[in-house]
Amino acid sequence: QKEVEQNSGPLSVPEGAIASLNCTYSDRVSQSFFWYRQYSGKSPELIMSIYSNGDKEDGRFTAQLNKASQYVSLLIRDSQPSDSATYLCAVNWMYSGGGADGLTFGKGTHLIIQP
Amino acid sequence: DGGITQSPKYLFRKEGQNVTLSCEQNLNHDAMYWYRQDPGQGLRLIYYSQIVNDFQKGDIAEGYSVSREKKESFPLTVTSAQKNPTAFYLCASKGTSGRENEQFFGPGTRLTVL
Repeated sequence: QKEVEQNSGPLSVPEGAIASLNCTYSDRVSQSFFWYRQYSGKSPELIMSIYSNGDKEDGRFTAQLNKASQYVSLLIRDSQPSDSATYLCAVNWMYSGGGADGLTFGKGTHLIIQP
Repeated sequence: DGGITQSPKYLFRKEGQNVTLSCEQNLNHDAMYWYRQDPGQGLRLIYYSQIVNDFQKGDIAEGYSVSREKKESFPLTVTSAQKNPTAFYLCASKGTSGRENEQFFGPGTRLTVL
Protein backbone atom coordinates (compact mmCIF):
# COMPACT_ATOMS: atom_id res chain seq x y z
CA GLN A 1 0.00 0.00 0.00
CA LYS A 2 1.53 3.26 -1.11
CA GLU A 3 1.08 5.99 1.48
CA VAL A 4 1.92 9.65 1.82
CA GLU A 5 1.86 11.13 5.30
CA GLN A 6 1.55 14.78 6.31
CA ASN A 7 0.86 16.51 9.59
CA SER A 8 -2.64 17.92 9.20
CA GLY A 9 -1.91 21.00 11.33
CA PRO A 10 -2.93 23.69 11.57
CA LEU A 11 0.59 25.06 11.35
CA SER A 12 0.65 28.67 12.46
CA VAL A 13 3.57 30.88 11.34
CA PRO A 14 4.09 34.64 11.85
CA GLU A 15 4.16 36.82 8.75
CA GLY A 16 7.69 37.15 7.38
CA ALA A 17 8.94 33.92 8.97
CA ILE A 18 9.83 30.64 7.25
CA ALA A 19 7.08 28.02 7.02
CA SER A 20 8.31 24.42 6.92
CA LEU A 21 6.01 21.68 5.65
CA ASN A 22 6.97 18.02 5.78
CA CYS A 23 5.91 14.84 4.00
CA THR A 24 6.98 11.21 4.19
CA TYR A 25 6.17 8.45 1.72
CA SER A 26 6.23 4.70 1.87
CA ASP A 27 7.32 3.56 -1.59
CA ARG A 28 11.01 3.62 -2.46
CA VAL A 29 10.18 3.24 -6.16
CA SER A 30 8.57 6.69 -6.34
CA GLN A 31 10.50 9.06 -8.58
CA SER A 32 8.55 12.32 -8.78
CA PHE A 33 7.33 14.52 -5.97
CA PHE A 34 4.99 17.47 -6.01
CA TRP A 35 3.61 20.19 -3.77
CA TYR A 36 0.18 21.61 -4.47
CA ARG A 37 -1.46 24.58 -2.79
CA GLN A 38 -5.21 24.44 -2.27
CA TYR A 39 -7.29 27.38 -1.10
CA SER A 40 -10.59 26.60 0.60
CA GLY A 41 -13.20 25.56 -1.94
CA LYS A 42 -10.75 25.67 -4.86
CA SER A 43 -8.84 23.08 -6.84
CA PRO A 44 -5.16 22.27 -6.17
CA GLU A 45 -2.53 24.43 -7.85
CA LEU A 46 0.91 22.99 -8.59
CA ILE A 47 3.64 25.08 -6.97
CA MET A 48 6.72 22.82 -6.94
CA SER A 49 7.97 19.60 -8.46
CA ILE A 50 11.20 17.82 -7.55
CA TYR A 51 12.76 14.69 -9.01
CA SER A 52 16.28 14.31 -7.56
CA ASN A 53 17.84 14.50 -4.13
CA GLY A 54 18.68 17.92 -2.82
CA ASP A 55 17.07 21.33 -2.95
CA LYS A 56 15.11 23.07 -5.66
CA GLU A 57 14.32 26.75 -5.33
CA ASP A 58 11.64 28.79 -7.09
CA GLY A 59 11.12 32.30 -5.76
CA ARG A 60 10.13 32.09 -2.10
CA PHE A 61 9.61 28.33 -2.30
CA THR A 62 12.24 25.63 -1.77
CA ALA A 63 11.51 21.92 -2.10
CA GLN A 64 13.87 19.45 -0.45
CA LEU A 65 14.05 15.75 -1.28
CA ASN A 66 15.83 12.95 0.58
CA LYS A 67 15.05 9.64 -1.09
CA ALA A 68 17.08 7.58 1.38
CA SER A 69 14.89 8.85 4.21
CA GLN A 70 11.75 8.91 2.01
CA TYR A 71 11.18 12.50 2.99
CA VAL A 72 10.20 15.61 1.05
CA SER A 73 9.67 19.10 2.45
CA LEU A 74 8.57 22.54 1.34
CA LEU A 75 9.97 25.76 2.76
CA ILE A 76 8.19 29.06 2.25
CA ARG A 77 10.37 32.08 2.98
CA ASP A 78 9.02 35.51 3.93
CA SER A 79 5.58 34.02 4.56
CA GLN A 80 2.63 36.17 3.55
CA PRO A 81 -1.01 36.00 4.66
CA SER A 82 -1.84 34.98 1.07
CA ASP A 83 0.18 31.79 1.67
CA SER A 84 -2.50 30.63 4.11
CA ALA A 85 -3.89 27.48 2.50
CA THR A 86 -3.74 23.71 2.62
CA TYR A 87 -0.58 22.25 1.11
CA LEU A 88 -0.83 18.81 -0.46
CA CYS A 89 2.16 16.56 -0.97
CA ALA A 90 1.86 14.16 -3.91
CA VAL A 91 4.07 11.30 -5.00
CA ASN A 92 4.18 9.73 -8.45
CA TRP A 93 4.13 5.97 -8.80
CA MET A 94 3.63 3.52 -11.60
CA TYR A 95 0.58 1.30 -11.79
CA SER A 96 1.93 -2.21 -12.23
CA GLY A 97 1.29 -3.63 -15.69
CA GLY A 98 -0.24 -0.48 -17.05
CA GLY A 99 2.71 1.77 -17.54
CA ALA A 100 0.64 4.73 -16.58
CA ASP A 101 1.41 6.90 -13.63
CA GLY A 102 -0.84 8.23 -10.96
CA LEU A 103 -0.39 10.44 -7.98
CA THR A 104 -0.86 9.45 -4.36
CA PHE A 105 -1.74 12.44 -2.21
CA GLY A 106 -1.29 13.16 1.45
CA LYS A 107 -4.23 14.62 3.34
CA GLY A 108 -2.59 18.02 3.41
CA THR A 109 -1.22 20.46 5.98
CA HIS A 110 -3.33 23.50 6.81
CA LEU A 111 -1.00 26.52 7.01
CA ILE A 112 -2.02 29.77 8.69
CA ILE A 113 0.16 32.87 8.33
CA GLN A 114 -0.53 35.28 11.16
CA PRO A 115 -0.29 39.00 10.23
CA ASP B 1 -6.30 30.62 -23.55
CA GLY B 2 -5.25 27.08 -22.64
CA GLY B 3 -6.63 25.21 -19.70
CA ILE B 4 -8.91 22.61 -18.21
CA THR B 5 -12.61 23.27 -17.79
CA GLN B 6 -15.11 21.32 -15.74
CA SER B 7 -18.86 21.66 -15.69
CA PRO B 8 -21.07 22.14 -13.92
CA LYS B 9 -19.46 23.84 -10.93
CA TYR B 10 -22.19 22.57 -8.60
CA LEU B 11 -24.41 19.55 -9.18
CA PHE B 12 -27.26 18.17 -7.12
CA ARG B 13 -28.43 14.63 -7.61
CA LYS B 14 -31.30 12.64 -6.22
CA GLU B 15 -30.56 9.17 -4.95
CA GLY B 16 -30.81 6.57 -7.70
CA GLN B 17 -29.89 8.96 -10.51
CA ASN B 18 -26.87 8.79 -12.76
CA VAL B 19 -25.07 12.06 -13.44
CA THR B 20 -22.25 12.95 -15.83
CA LEU B 21 -19.49 15.42 -15.06
CA SER B 22 -17.74 17.13 -17.94
CA CYS B 23 -13.99 17.66 -18.30
CA GLU B 24 -12.43 19.36 -21.33
CA GLN B 25 -8.83 20.41 -21.98
CA ASN B 26 -7.22 22.36 -24.82
CA LEU B 27 -3.63 21.77 -23.69
CA ASN B 28 -3.10 18.92 -26.16
CA HIS B 29 -2.37 16.64 -23.21
CA ASP B 30 -2.54 12.89 -23.77
CA ALA B 31 -3.25 11.75 -20.21
CA MET B 32 -6.30 12.70 -18.19
CA TYR B 33 -7.37 11.78 -14.67
CA TRP B 34 -10.36 11.92 -12.35
CA TYR B 35 -9.94 12.34 -8.60
CA ARG B 36 -12.35 12.60 -5.74
CA GLN B 37 -11.76 14.70 -2.61
CA ASP B 38 -13.72 14.36 0.61
CA PRO B 39 -13.55 16.98 3.41
CA GLY B 40 -10.21 16.90 5.21
CA GLN B 41 -8.93 14.19 2.91
CA GLY B 42 -6.40 13.92 0.16
CA LEU B 43 -7.32 13.23 -3.42
CA ARG B 44 -8.11 9.67 -4.49
CA LEU B 45 -7.81 8.44 -8.07
CA ILE B 46 -11.00 7.17 -9.72
CA TYR B 47 -10.02 6.58 -13.37
CA TYR B 48 -7.27 7.62 -15.73
CA SER B 49 -6.68 7.57 -19.46
CA GLN B 50 -3.36 7.73 -21.27
CA ILE B 51 -4.75 7.81 -24.79
CA VAL B 52 -7.99 8.06 -26.74
CA ASN B 53 -10.25 5.00 -26.47
CA ASP B 54 -8.30 3.61 -23.52
CA PHE B 55 -8.79 4.08 -19.79
CA GLN B 56 -7.91 2.27 -16.58
CA LYS B 57 -9.43 1.97 -13.12
CA GLY B 58 -7.82 3.82 -10.26
CA ASP B 59 -8.11 3.10 -6.57
CA ILE B 60 -11.84 3.78 -6.15
CA ALA B 61 -13.51 3.05 -9.53
CA GLU B 62 -16.56 1.21 -8.20
CA GLY B 63 -19.77 3.06 -9.03
CA TYR B 64 -18.12 5.25 -11.68
CA SER B 65 -17.68 5.00 -15.44
CA VAL B 66 -15.73 7.04 -18.00
CA SER B 67 -15.20 7.35 -21.74
CA ARG B 68 -12.40 8.82 -23.84
CA GLU B 69 -13.70 9.27 -27.37
CA LYS B 70 -11.76 12.48 -27.99
CA LYS B 71 -8.35 13.62 -26.79
CA GLU B 72 -9.85 16.79 -25.36
CA SER B 73 -12.66 15.21 -23.37
CA PHE B 74 -12.88 12.77 -20.45
CA PRO B 75 -16.38 12.72 -18.94
CA LEU B 76 -17.12 10.93 -15.67
CA THR B 77 -20.47 9.30 -14.91
CA VAL B 78 -21.41 8.81 -11.29
CA THR B 79 -23.86 5.92 -11.26
CA SER B 80 -26.52 4.98 -8.75
CA ALA B 81 -24.20 2.16 -7.64
CA GLN B 82 -21.85 4.69 -6.02
CA LYS B 83 -22.90 4.51 -2.38
CA ASN B 84 -21.49 7.82 -1.16
CA PRO B 85 -21.12 10.15 -4.14
CA THR B 86 -21.18 13.50 -2.33
CA ALA B 87 -17.68 14.91 -2.86
CA PHE B 88 -15.53 17.40 -4.76
CA TYR B 89 -14.57 15.92 -8.14
CA LEU B 90 -11.37 17.04 -9.82
CA CYS B 91 -10.19 16.41 -13.35
CA ALA B 92 -6.50 16.68 -14.24
CA SER B 93 -4.36 16.33 -17.32
CA LYS B 94 -0.70 15.73 -18.03
CA GLY B 95 1.48 16.24 -21.07
CA THR B 96 4.05 13.75 -22.28
CA SER B 97 6.97 16.05 -22.91
CA GLY B 98 8.78 18.71 -21.01
CA ARG B 99 7.42 18.91 -17.49
CA GLU B 100 7.50 15.22 -16.67
CA ASN B 101 4.63 13.83 -14.63
CA GLU B 102 3.21 17.23 -13.69
CA GLN B 103 -0.57 17.11 -13.46
CA PHE B 104 -2.71 20.22 -13.69
CA PHE B 105 -6.21 20.43 -12.32
CA GLY B 106 -9.46 21.90 -13.51
CA PRO B 107 -11.64 24.00 -11.17
CA GLY B 108 -13.67 21.01 -9.96
CA THR B 109 -17.32 19.99 -9.66
CA ARG B 110 -18.98 19.81 -6.27
CA LEU B 111 -21.58 17.01 -6.26
CA THR B 112 -24.22 16.77 -3.57
CA VAL B 113 -26.72 13.94 -3.25
CA LEU B 114 -30.06 15.08 -1.89
